[in-house]
Amino acid sequence: QKEVEQNSGPLSVPEGAIASLNCTYSDRVSQSFFWYRQYSGKSPELIMSIYSNGDKEDGRFTAQLNKASQYVSLLIRDSQPSDSATYLCAVNGDNDMRFGAGTRLTVKP
Amino acid sequence: DAGITQSPRHKVTETGTPVTLRCHQTENHRYMYWYRQDPGHGLRLIHYSYGVKDTDKGEVSDGYSVSRSKTEDFLLTLESATSSQTSVYFCAISWDGSNTEAFFGQGTRLTVV
Repeated sequence: QKEVEQNSGPLSVPEGAIASLNCTYSDRVSQSFFWYRQYSGKSPELIMSIYSNGDKEDGRFTAQLNKASQYVSLLIRDSQPSDSATYLCAVNGDNDMRFGAGTRLTVKP
Repeated sequence: DAGITQSPRHKVTETGTPVTLRCHQTENHRYMYWYRQDPGHGLRLIHYSYGVKDTDKGEVSDGYSVSRSKTEDFLLTLESATSSQTSVYFCAISWDGSNTEAFFGQGTRLTVV
């Protein structure tokens, strides 16, 4: 069974702080990793994709991948109340895509 | 928004009745997926398709069947609905299942009473 694990939270940070979200996966051959954001009652939307070890930055978001340790993380800098959502980590297998249970983030003004 | 449409958006059905959910895409993506989302479980893969008439099971496929007779349509059927299948169902599409991101439909809220 291919597993994707996330801390379910809730994670609460003050506005302007850095939010750190973590994800571990069990399938060593996974090559593609994604972070999705899901607002309550809405469908998931892609924030970041990462394929190589190291950091990838996009605006206030930074994805970090460490294949040797089998973890991927998402940092949100200068967190805003509009970042309050559930963040889903996803890992690709051969043809399918597996998701973690998600971490609920609340950014308090 | 990616061209993905799920129908119906909401459905209430009785235990033991068959139910079919439809996913329609206009993006010509090869891969299509059906997920269910339940509190505490996140998104769990039910079935997926990697081409017309090519489908495979996901981690929670029991009680579900799928069909894909055209690139643009992927149907999910609950042969005999049970209360445990009450959930929100999402369809997703992907150009390349191994390497590219998935785009999601709006979801279908199914209640089995």
